[in-house]
Amino acid sequence: AQKVTQAQTEISVVEKEDVTLDCVYETRDTTYYLFWYKQPPSGELVFLIRRNSFDEQNEISGRYSWNFQKSTSSFNFTITASQVVDSAVYFCAMKTSYDKVIFGPGTSLSVIP
Amino acid sequence: EPEVTQTPSHQVTQMGQEVILRCVPISNHLYFYWYRQILGQKVEFLVSFYNNEISEKSEIFDDQFSVERPDGSNFTLKIRSTKLEDSAMYFCASRAGSRYKLFFGSGTQLSVL
Repeated sequence: AQKVTQAQTEISVVEKEDVTLDCVYETRDTTYYLFWYKQPPSGELVFLIRRNSFDEQNEISGRYSWNFQKSTSSFNFTITASQVVDSAVYFCAMKTSYDKVIFGPGTSLSVIP
Repeated sequence: EPEVTQTPSHQVTQMGQEVILRCVPISNHLYFYWYRQILGQKVEFLVSFYNNEISEKSEIFDDQFSVERPDGSNFTLKIRSTKLEDSAMYFCASRAGSRYKLFFGSGTQLSVL
């Protein structure tokens, strides 16, 4: 089965705290892509990162960082020094088989001033 | 930055009516997609489209749904006879050939009464 799980439904943090959003995936494919998307209150889906299965290097982009671990089938996302503008729903996603991306259920992050 | 454009932003229709949702993908993109998101739920894959053919479709994409690229710029999703449960935000997405990065439009909110 191909599946993306985000166990945290909702998270609240106080501004400037660090927060990690968890993502666990299941696939039998050896080649796959993983993604994170942000959906702010305005509703659009904003691409944050893509990672392919052969590249386990962690990535940092400003306050954002991603930890990909194939051994635990996880692709976690950390926001450092969170800001109110980070409040959104965050989706982890995976490209399966041929040409289909499946999304996890999302984690709603609220950053409180 | 180029973007995927969807019209209308909000569509209201009566149950049983046909609706056509329109999308203009990014101009040099070759792969096109429709996703939907029922309020408060996860983003669900409907269909992928390449070279004037459906590449993959989900169980949701039954005979009531069809897609078309009638000219060089538009990509449409038709629902022949809408049901109440078709009420959702419908997202169009596109990507170029080489890099698997989906660009999403801002969505069409479909309300079936």
